[in-house]
Amino acid sequence: KAGVTQTPRYLIKTRGQQVTLSCSPISGHRSVSWYQQTPGQGLQFLFEYFSETQRNKGNFPGRFSGRQFSNSRSEMNVSTLELGDSALYLCASTSDGEGNTEAFFGQGTRLTVV
Amino acid sequence: AQSVTQLGSHVSVSEGALVLLRCNYSSSVPPYLFWYVQYPNQGLQLLLKYTSAATLVKGINGFEAEFKKSETSFHLTKPSAHMSDAAEYFCAVSANWGAQKLVFGQGTRLTINP
Repeated sequence: KAGVTQTPRYLIKTRGQQVTLSCSPISGHRSVSWYQQTPGQGLQFLFEYFSETQRNKGNFPGRFSGRQFSNSRSEMNVSTLELGDSALYLCASTSDGEGNTEAFFGQGTRLTVV
Repeated sequence: AQSVTQLGSHVSVSEGALVLLRCNYSSSVPPYLFWYVQYPNQGLQLLLKYTSAATLVKGINGFEAEFKKSETSFHLTKPSAHMSDAAEYFCAVSANWGAQKLVFGQGTRLTINP
């Protein structure tokens, strides 16, 4: 079974631009969560989507947004990029089925803002 | 609200020695606790999870953790360190069993000395 796939793996953008990152969850998983990882702030929860609806949201500005499609694939968008947005962005999928579940993480997209 | 504190941002042990990584949590509800490992330029891999069943949890690669409610702790141990254990380790807490919204500690970088 294929794991969580994030594309692209690496990205370089200029301050002020916008960027879209993609995440394909494990087949059958309906929940996708996004995290930002930086050396200073560590791993921080951005948002979670389930059945095309945002179900949970972290404390990030409105420049960070996301969506989920009917096939459970998710995208996150960051507008008006700032230098501080440079980070590793991780997505995780869970089945959201009955019983205990595990969050499976992708390898991440490394975003560098210059 | 949930929070996690990992004591020690860097831990160094000799190969074959005991590994002990400390994690204390704060949660207003019965917590679900996780330990994840991250290798360079990789996503997160689940080592083990506590979901209110047994308080001593065994995970992959010889790791285990004990949930101690009175101490609000969930320390990770391994009896004998191996060079391949060198990585960054994250403790996380979730308010629900689905692990869709994880709150992470700052991480502990484990170095193994030959």
